[in-house]
Amino acid sequence: DVKVTQSSRYLVKRTGEKVFLECVQDMDHENMFWYRQDPGLGLRLIYFSYDVKMKEKGDIPEGYSVSREKKERFSLILESASTNQTSMYLCASSLPQQANTEAFFGQGTRLTVV
Amino acid sequence: GENVEQHPSTLSVQEGDSAVIKCTYSDSASNYFPWYKQELGKGPQLIIDIRSNVGEKKDQRIAVTLNKTAKHFSLHITETQPEDSAVYFCAASSPDFNDYKLSFGAGTTVTVRA
Repeated sequence: DVKVTQSSRYLVKRTGEKVFLECVQDMDHENMFWYRQDPGLGLRLIYFSYDVKMKEKGDIPEGYSVSREKKERFSLILESASTNQTSMYLCASSLPQQANTEAFFGQGTRLTVV
Repeated sequence: GENVEQHPSTLSVQEGDSAVIKCTYSDSASNYFPWYKQELGKGPQLIIDIRSNVGEKKDQRIAVTLNKTAKHFSLHITETQPEDSAVYFCAASSPDFNDYKLSFGAGTTVTVRA
């Protein structure tokens, strides 16, 4: 069974902390994504990566960075957490555009910044 | 970039009735339109998708229609059941090779009343 695993289901961090959200996929997918989900706003793309060490900004990259040192792992980094980054974070992976384009999602990490 | 609008934001239906969710998109070059279902506490999961060379696709009680001229697509669920209660997201995909990313609608919370 295909799997995208996010390291934490729930996380509480203090304002100003550096926060790491980890995501691992076991499907050998080239593409990986980080979204945040907020009520009434749907899923908004933060960053994506189509290869190891490659990254592209999504629609809302401010305040975030990413790291992809290995194909199976994509990390989202909040350099200095703020209360407006309290949200549900979803990681996803997929094959390249010219192949099957279904995106597989992790279960999400609910981050609260206090 | 692509902009996807989704309506309604909430939908309550009697068990056995049909549910329809509508989405519009802005980029006429988009060519892939998936629908995702998110159950409580889980990440979104693909339920059906359609490509721009097809006008309609069915899978048991679920169907999706696409009108490229009007740039809108819809999800139809017939004979709704309690397990259909979830949040549904439509999405549209940019066709660029290294720019594969999904733009999501804001989501529709569907409640099926027993």
